[in-house]
Amino acid sequence: GEEVAQTPKHLVRGEGQKAKLYCAPIKGHSYVFWYQQVLKNEFKFLISFQNENVFDETGMPKERFSAKCLPNSPCSLEIQATKLEDSAVYFCASSPRWKTSGVSYEQYFGPGTRLTVT
Amino acid sequence: SQQGEEDPQALSIQEGENATMNCSYKTSINNLQWYRQNSGRGLVHLILIRSNEREKHSGRLRVTLDTSKKSSSLLITASRAADTASYFCATDAVRETSGSRLTFGEGTQLTVNP
Repeated sequence: GEEVAQTPKHLVRGEGQKAKLYCAPIKGHSYVFWYQQVLKNEFKFLISFQNENVFDETGMPKERFSAKCLPNSPCSLEIQATKLEDSAVYFCASSPRWKTSGVSYEQYFGPGTRLTVT
Repeated sequence: SQQGEEDPQALSIQEGENATMNCSYKTSINNLQWYRQNSGRGLVHLILIRSNEREKHSGRLRVTLDTSKKSSSLLITASRAADTASYFCATDAVRETSGSRLTFGEGTQLTVNP
């Protein structure tokens, strides 16, 4: 598609439950990025993929967070045993390219999934 | 912690006035991008300026970049009520490894009053 799609729009989970978020990047885009936005004004990078390969996972809290981008499937971000502090809006972005000779390109963002952990 | 800092945190102006937002960052960058976020929505890319550029225009937007001061400004001319949104700068740092993250500033909330 021409836009990054994210599902669901809203997700409510009790503390300790699992949460799974999905992202369909723009068709033809090779790079997918996940960000977490807490309190409206702070974006935290989580992980990125080049096709189905992890590109950069240095932002991921590895104990409970995992992500995949498999061929012919939406990308997913999964949080095991959610905690209250995981409440945030999770944004997915895609990019046709990332870097060529040190020059990077814009990322196209989806509408986000609001996760509320109660 | 966030690399970018933006000021002001909030800006309220009348329709037709110009709005200027500033962003500072700490490390060397490949480029700096500005995004807009309407309340409860995703980020919309506005403009990208590369580290070897000093000024860029796109419609009513003008972006400047001063790498010596590690700062950028976004000017919106002849503002409209529809420009009401949060504006974020995001930097792509020069890295030794192939890290891919964008680092966002804390955003400026712009309100344009009709």
